[in-house]
Amino acid sequence: AQSVTQPDIHITVSEGASLELRCNYSYGATPYLFWYVQSPGQGLQLLLKYFSGDTLVQGIKGFEAEFKRSQSSFNLRKPSVHWSDAAEYFCAVGDTGNQFYFGTGTSLTVIP
Amino acid sequence: DAGVTQSPTHLIKTRGQHVTLRCSPISGHKSVSWYQQVLGQGPQFIFQYYEKEERGRGNFPDRFSARQFPNYSSELNVNALLLGDSALYLCASSLAGGVSYEQYFGPGTRLTVT
Repeated sequence: AQSVTQPDIHITVSEGASLELRCNYSYGATPYLFWYVQSPGQGLQLLLKYFSGDTLVQGIKGFEAEFKRSQSSFNLRKPSVHWSDAAEYFCAVGDTGNQFYFGTGTSLTVIP
Repeated sequence: DAGVTQSPTHLIKTRGQHVTLRCSPISGHKSVSWYQQVLGQGPQFIFQYYEKEERGRGNFPDRFSARQFPNYSSELNVNALLLGDSALYLCASSLAGGVSYEQYFGPGTRLTVT
């Protein structure tokens, strides 16, 4: 069965520092990969997605992610974090059976 | 334009009861997906409907069912509620079915089972 692992339950970074959130997936074929953000009181919002092609994908709000097939990873990065980035981040995989699998999430705290 | 709307916002039910949750997709979207998000966990996929047909199903018991109407709105039904069904239920709409279309999520319905 497909699965998504986000090893870091909680991360704290200083405002202006760089950020990397880890995501590992288990899927036999080339997966459809997504990163979502969920802020308190707000719905889930898509940050970026990868289906094929260039393994470095750019998303909204200055985020990017890199697909590494050899490591089954799809880590999310941002060069300089803003206080408004504090939220819960979810990595997700979609398969050809029209099913989606989300990780357990990484909670990001940004300190001034 | 209105986003995905869900009703009700909050709901409290007793074990063994039945519940119906409703979702209206973004105008022009023909696919609706349902997710269960237990506190502290990521969303778990329940169903995807496209053009009124089930196109994907997650690992949930038969107590969970859904349908999509001609106007593309959807209902999620849960029978014989258990305490473990307490969760935030999210609806997402997309232009079409499958996993390649961007999903837009609603604010969710918070279900508490006592």
